[in-house]
Amino acid sequence: DGGITQSPKYLFRKEGQNVTLSCEQNLNHDAMYWYRQDPGQGLRLIYYSQIVNDFQKGDIAEGYSVSREKKESFPLTVTSAQKNPTAFYLCASSKGGDNQPQHFGDGTRLSIL
Amino acid sequence: AQSVTQLGSHVSVSEGALVLLRCNYSSSVPPYLFWYVQYPNQGLQLLLKYTTGATLVKGINGFEAEFKKSETSFHLTKPSAHMSDAAEYFCAVTVTDSWGKLQFGAGTQVVVTP
Repeated sequence: DGGITQSPKYLFRKEGQNVTLSCEQNLNHDAMYWYRQDPGQGLRLIYYSQIVNDFQKGDIAEGYSVSREKKESFPLTVTSAQKNPTAFYLCASSKGGDNQPQHFGDGTRLSIL
Repeated sequence: AQSVTQLGSHVSVSEGALVLLRCNYSSSVPPYLFWYVQYPNQGLQLLLKYTTGATLVKGINGFEAEFKKSETSFHLTKPSAHMSDAAEYFCAVTVTDSWGKLQFGAGTQVVVTP
């Protein structure tokens, strides 16, 4: 079955450490997105990519970085510059285009040790 | 820029009763509107969407929503709640030339009581 796979499901970060969250899709979607979810705040967009080798900052990109070297993959790195990284991170993809729904992975929960 | 307001962060309904979740949007251009559902520790699942055409949209699991331009609303309803409807629900909006970026509401947590 086609879908989006996020790994790991749980991740712990030490102070000063960078961590990378994986997101892989086999839906042949052009567009991919990363969101951060905090209780009571809905989802906020971190980065998005419409095509390979191109990506743009979302609303809360500071302290995060991404790459899009392959159509199927859109990893997110949470850097040590992100001072409050504890959250639920969701990856999504779509066919591209403004009226296309986004399909979501099951998320990665990041916590600070 | 567009935005979404969901009225009520928590809603409690009895099993078999009507489910009504309110969503109002702000947009200077015609919007595309979506409702998603999220179960604990999972991603979001699309319930239904409005892009163009018929303003009453039917989705999965017996849910439907009506786009009312004059009221800038896209409320979600289900005639009879089931225990399995207990989840968090998100309304989201995007517009043309926005690269598909969604603006989400804060979410409404639904509790279903026997």
